[in-house]
Amino acid sequence: QLQLQESGPGLVKPSETLSLTCTVSGGSISSSSYYWGWIRQPPGKGLEWIGSIYYSGSTYYNPSLKSRVTISVDTSKNQFSLKLSSVTAADTAVYYCARHTGPPDYWGQGTLVTVSS
Amino acid sequence: QSALTQPPSASGSPGQSVTISCTGTSSDVGGYNYVSWYQQHPGKAPKLMIYEVSKRPSGVPDRFSGSKSGNTASLTVSGLQAEDEADYYCSSYAGSNNFGGYVFGTGTKVTVL
Repeated sequence: QLQLQESGPGLVKPSETLSLTCTVSGGSISSSSYYWGWIRQPPGKGLEWIGSIYYSGSTYYNPSLKSRVTISVDTSKNQFSLKLSSVTAADTAVYYCARHTGPPDYWGQGTLVTVSS
Repeated sequence: QSALTQPPSASGSPGQSVTISCTGTSSDVGGYNYVSWYQQHPGKAPKLMIYEVSKRPSGVPDRFSGSKSGNTASLTVSGLQAEDEADYYCSSYAGSNNFGGYVFGTGTKVTVL
């Protein structure tokens, strides 16, 4: 059974960089069939697609976040990562990692990241 | 890319049906048969209920059905059960001319009366 698990700091200071890692178990991140993505959800609000990466390293990002987002993959560790720079309180959200070919079908449990000094 | 528009709430009694709409544009919902629907219970990750407008993943009850007409997609939950009370989000492929990703709806809270 495929499982995804997000990890990283739960508290980030304004203007700093948010860094999260998603560890994939029960399957290979190098599968040619799938993309691996990040999605976030501010408290009490809806979902927002951040971006995705293929195991080869090709990426695509939400244009509204593109200037601040970097997604990378480490196939040796079966992990992929998110970096979001220059964060503000508006970036406070539950961050999910997910697998997708079309819409995401497997999701991590999510991790709350709060931006506050 | 703007969020797809959903009604904030919908409700029905056990055994009844409820239908949720999801309105986008010709650049997303209307342009592709790649509309999906998610169910989210409080504190949980979203669960894929419908993909490619009307297909159900393995394990999703056939009480859940999807359709699309023009720029509006719909999710119908028939034979409402208590466990169907949740937030529902639609999603659509946004096209390679945009960013090649998916846009989500604003979400609808379904209450089972």
